[in-house]
Amino acid sequence: EAGVAQSPRYKIIEKRQSVAFWCNPISGHATLYWYQQILGQGPKLLIQFQNNGVVDDSQLPKDRFSAERLKGVDSTLKIQPAKLEDSAVYLCASSEGLAGVYEQYFGPGTRLTVT
Amino acid sequence: AQKVTQAQTEISVVEKEDVTLDCVYETRDTTYYLFWYKQPPSGELVFLIRRNSFDEQNEISGRYSWNFQKSTSSFNFTITASQVVDSAVYFCALKRTSGGGADGLTFGKGTHLIIQP
Repeated sequence: EAGVAQSPRYKIIEKRQSVAFWCNPISGHATLYWYQQILGQGPKLLIQFQNNGVVDDSQLPKDRFSAERLKGVDSTLKIQPAKLEDSAVYLCASSEGLAGVYEQYFGPGTRLTVT
Repeated sequence: AQKVTQAQTEISVVEKEDVTLDCVYETRDTTYYLFWYKQPPSGELVFLIRRNSFDEQNEISGRYSWNFQKSTSSFNFTITASQVVDSAVYFCALKRTSGGGADGLTFGKGTHLIIQP
């Protein structure tokens, strides 16, 4: 079974530029999450989708971050404009259902460096 | 508010030693779920265990064991006879319960485990 796919794996941009990350969850997984992991810290949830609807975006900096999950499958996370503090690894995870019953499977992440 | 504390930033032991990673959590929920993940140098998070608040039985899986104690809000992880391949960052996490189906995880800052040969 294929795992969670993410691209690109690495991205370097200058501050104030925009960037987009792509995630393809495991086939059949209805729930999709985006996490931000700053160096030396644990992942922090940014947004959760259930099918193509947003369930939780309370920690998403909405002035610069946006995400969508068209057709309830792939998802895109965008940052516009980027700041230096956005340098981090962006992890996508998917799950068949609720985290209490099903585990979250994580992708390899996209490492973003903002200069 | 929910919080997960992993007080040990880094632990270094010699191979074959036993090592325990501490995790203390805070939540107001009566029902909750706890997790441990491993993050090797490759960066991908690997699921190790899930435990719900109703089940306080300790669990053993090979060289890994987990001790869940609600009375002290702790969910500690022990590796017996450690091996170099166990070297990684280990995260303890708590399922968010902000309602409306939200169930993302709240992670601790992680413990960097170094197993020296």
